[in-house]
Amino acid sequence: EDQVTQSPEALRLQEGESSSLNCSYTVSGLRGLFWYRQDPGKGPEFLFTLYSAGEEKEKERLKATLTKKESFLHITAPKPEDSATYLCAVQGANQAGTALIFGKGTTLSVSS
Amino acid sequence: NAGVMQNPRHLVRRRGQEARLRCSPMKGHSHVYWYRQLPEEGLKFMVYLQKENIIDESGMPKERFSAEFPKEGPSILRIQQVVRGDSAAYFCASSPGQGATDTQYFGPGTRLTVL
Repeated sequence: EDQVTQSPEALRLQEGESSSLNCSYTVSGLRGLFWYRQDPGKGPEFLFTLYSAGEEKEKERLKATLTKKESFLHITAPKPEDSATYLCAVQGANQAGTALIFGKGTTLSVSS
Repeated sequence: NAGVMQNPRHLVRRRGQEARLRCSPMKGHSHVYWYRQLPEEGLKFMVYLQKENIIDESGMPKERFSAEFPKEGPSILRIQQVVRGDSAAYFCASSPGQGATDTQYFGPGTRLTVL
């Protein structure tokens, strides 16, 4: 069964304190791995798509990497506005359609 | 705002009533997905539709839930005879349908509360 596990569940950082969020996945034939950001009371906001092991993508203070078993979201010198829940999702080859399988997310709090 | 639109944003229903949730995809997008987010749970896929067709409803409960995406107008997720366990945030996403790994863009969600 396709599965996504994110860790830690919650992470508290001081402004400027870099860290990484982990997304471990089990999927039959990865077609894509997606990172989203979700603020309280809002819908997920798309950040990155990764397709193959070794791929990396960057956007401002965020960098996403992918291996055959997991993905990392690295946050460099975070600011309070980076506080949100970060969601990881995968799309597997055995999905009849293009359904995304989500992890439960990592809630990041950055204090100044 | 050219993003995915959902309405209503908040919906309160009493047990046994019907709930209708609407979703208008991003301009140029022809594929719509519905997900449900229960408290303390991750987002769960429900159904995937294209215009006038249900492509994948493997995540839809077998009873009381239905979805449509007509030729004209928004996609509708209908929940009949709601129960307290239906209380959740329901999100719609859309994609352009250009490939097997289309990026899905999400709307703001409808928060359903069943009294």
